[in-house]
This record gives sequence, structure tokens and C-alpha cells, in this order.
Amino acid sequence: QKEVEQNSGPLSVPEGAIASLNCTYSDRGSQSFFWYRQYSGKSPELIMFIYSNGDKEDGRFTAQLNKASQYVSLLIRDSQPSDSATYLCAVRGNQAGTALIFGKGTTLSVSS
Amino acid sequence: GAVVSQHPSRVICKSGTSVKIECRSLDFQATTMFWYRQFPKQSLMLMATSNEGSKATYEQGVEKDKFLINHASLTLSTLTVTSAHPEDSSFYICSAASGGNYNEQFFGPGTRLTVL
Repeated sequence: QKEVEQNSGPLSVPEGAIASLNCTYSDRGSQSFFWYRQYSGKSPELIMFIYSNGDKEDGRFTAQLNKASQYVSLLIRDSQPSDSATYLCAVRGNQAGTALIFGKGTTLSVSS
Repeated sequence: GAVVSQHPSRVICKSGTSVKIECRSLDFQATTMFWYRQFPKQSLMLMATSNEGSKATYEQGVEKDKFLINHASLTLSTLTVTSAHPEDSSFYICSAASGGNYNEQFFGPGTRLTVL
């Protein structure tokens, strides 16, 4: 059973702070890692993806991957109230056609 | 990114009826579509993977006779919930991928199904 684990939160940070979201996965053969944001009642929207160990930055977002520890994280700098949402970690295996396996998500609340 | 639509966005039906949900890729050809279900406060759970022109592959625990999936063209997949019951009430979301790039999956806006 392939699993993706996230702390459900809620994670509360003040506006302007750094929010740190964490995710672990069980399938060591996983190759691609994704972070999605989901607002209540809406479908997920892709924030970024990462394939290689290390950091990947895109604007205020930084994804970090450590395959040895089977750990992926998302940092949000200068958090804004509009960042308040549920953040889903998703993992995909190496086989063609493999669907994404999602964690339960972490709820982030950014207070102004 | 590419656009995926779903119809209807919301449906309320009586127990025992069947409901069809459409998923369309509007500006690209989707060789593979995925159907997910999400209960409140839960994650997206994959129900099935659908490849154009072939039978869908269902995840363990998902009844293929209850959740009928048809992927007749490269731009349309349908999910039919047959003989719906209140426990089938959920948020159904499709995603679509093109060619061999399964890392580019585009999600539809979802369909909220309520079975009375």
C-alpha cells in the first residue's frame, strides 16, 4: 500500500512569516513529487513539482526533496492571507500512466 | 496550462437513480484520464485510470459495475454512478494527461454529488 503522509494541521502563521509544510511517502520507487493547493469546494491546483534531490524555487515557493529520507517539503515565504488553503502533497511512481497518490493535506491559515 | 471541464458542477439526485458526469479536455488530447473521489476533510482517492479506447483500470475496492467509465474519445471521459446511494455523495474530480507526460495532469473543477 503506497502511502503519503501529511500533518493535517491546521498550521497557523502570521502574515509575512514562512510557512513550512511537510510530507513523507512510503514508496521508495517514487520519482515525481507535487504540491497542490486546494481551496474549499474547489479542485486542486498545481503549485510546483520536483524530481531531483535538493531545492527548487518558484517565486515565494520552495520545494525540498530528500529521497533518502523519503521526505518532501514546501516552504512559503512572505505568507499572505490568500495562501490560506489546504496543501496536498502528491507522489507518482516511475511507471507510465501511474496516477498521483495524494496525502490528506495540511490546512494552512495565514492571519493578517 | 490546459483546460479540463466537468459537467455538471453540482447534482442532487434521489437514491437509486444513475448520474453521469462528463470530463472534457478542451484544448488538448487526453490519452489518459483519472477519476478521483474526495470525501469531506479527506484526500483525493483514485478510483480508476481510463485510457482512450480501452477499458478503465479500477483501484482496489472500487466497484466497476457501479462506477462505469467510458473514454470514447481523446477529449471526453464519462463516469456514471449507477443506482446511487447516499454514501456515494462526494466530490468527484477528473484529471487528464496527454501523451506520455503523466507528470502534467490537469484537474477538472469537480462535481459535487448529493444523493438523497
